[in-house]
Amino acid sequence: DAKTTQPNSMESNEEEPVHLPCNHSTISGTDYIHWYRQLPSQGPEYVIHGLTSNVNNRMASLAIAEDRKSSTLILHRATLRDAAVYYCILRLYSSASKIIFGSGTRLSIRP
Amino acid sequence: GAVVSQHPSWVICKSGTSVKIECRSLDFQATTMFWYRQFPKQSLMLMATSNEGSKATYEQGVEKDKFLINHASLTLSTLTVTSAHPEDSSFYICSASMKATNTEAFFGQGTRLTVV
Repeated sequence: DAKTTQPNSMESNEEEPVHLPCNHSTISGTDYIHWYRQLPSQGPEYVIHGLTSNVNNRMASLAIAEDRKSSTLILHRATLRDAAVYYCILRLYSSASKIIFGSGTRLSIRP
Repeated sequence: GAVVSQHPSWVICKSGTSVKIECRSLDFQATTMFWYRQFPKQSLMLMATSNEGSKATYEQGVEKDKFLINHASLTLSTLTVTSAHPEDSSFYICSASMKATNTEAFFGQGTRLTVV
């Protein structure tokens, strides 16, 4: 399974943008980049995913480097409810493909 | 949106007893479901892949006789922790993706197991 590397923790101020980086230098051509987040005592929640192009949805934006060896999850305006552990994961295009979690980034939001 | 539901949300059991955790996909079919375990302050660890109509595939180091998985239908997978011990106390989470496509994985809310 291709690995991802993320900072252990990050802090941001409420109502400011947050950029969460992820390195995945060993990514293969068939790996999709997924982001999930986990709030305390809950199961993970899907945030966004992409293959090559940048992606936007109601929760966040995903910026993917041209060589695909890194990506950045962008929360445009952080709220206190965005405080969570964010996981960057590589996954093949298959519902049977495993999701292997790394250590993730613990995001704290300052009021 | 699609939802994966786990039951129970929490359970306390005595050492030596068995506990069954259910994972249901509420509005979609899932040929494959995954079971994870998470200890405090740690990431999720994949335990096994549950395959509808066939045997589960266990990750290295996970005892298949200890953690029995049954995936009897396209909407239900169960994890039974047999002869539970205090070290089995953990947060157990299941996930599933829709059968035909891989957009995102949906996760259950988790089951907190405490063995006393």
